[in-house]
Amino acid sequence: RKEVEQDPGPFNVPEGATVAFNCTYSNSASQSFFWYRQDCRKEPKLLMSVYSSGNEDGRFTAQLNRASQYISLLIRDSKLSDSATYLCVVSPQGGSEKLVFGKGTKLTVNP
Amino acid sequence: EPEVTQTPSHQVTQMGQEVILRCVPISNHLYFYWYRQILGQKVEFLVSFYNNEISEKSEIFDDQFSVERPDGSNFTLKIRSTKLEDSAMYFCASSGSTEAFFGQGTRLTVV
Repeated sequence: RKEVEQDPGPFNVPEGATVAFNCTYSNSASQSFFWYRQDCRKEPKLLMSVYSSGNEDGRFTAQLNRASQYISLLIRDSKLSDSATYLCVVSPQGGSEKLVFGKGTKLTVNP
Repeated sequence: EPEVTQTPSHQVTQMGQEVILRCVPISNHLYFYWYRQILGQKVEFLVSFYNNEISEKSEIFDDQFSVERPDGSNFTLKIRSTKLEDSAMYFCASSGSTEAFFGQGTRLTVV
């Protein structure tokens, strides 16, 4: 089983749509969880950390289910600028240890 | 906003040659990392560096690779005797105690 697994997509949605990404991870001892976005041929950029209680940042909502080893990201009212690849990222040991990346889900928001 | 800077942005090298990829992490960060991303694949951890020594390395980071912090600001990745399969985007990252910030990457092409 892959360490971090995501639906590769691609997702093509119209502006204003709500889109959800899912991710599972294999290491039950993992400590920290993140969503990064990556534009084509650019570096990954942190979108948001994911907490067990769930967290929201504007149009973005992230949730973590430790029992199911499942992470989600919901984007509401999608914008053209949301077009990117969304990377599910897990830190097995938390803190400042290494990050384990999923392969990413590509999103294209169409006008 | 402080950022991680990498040079060069693109390096072309002949198979068998040595390359040095350079990074300037964010100044007050203590943890440094190298990741690579082969075209179309996921971001993969190579090595982490803390307190002037390697804290963790992946299976990819074999004797062909080495890292160094030659002075107070630079962090380098050396790849000896490059192979065609070393062609990838190499990202440097640094972190304080929480999130990791990535540089814009060096695209290495081995011909």
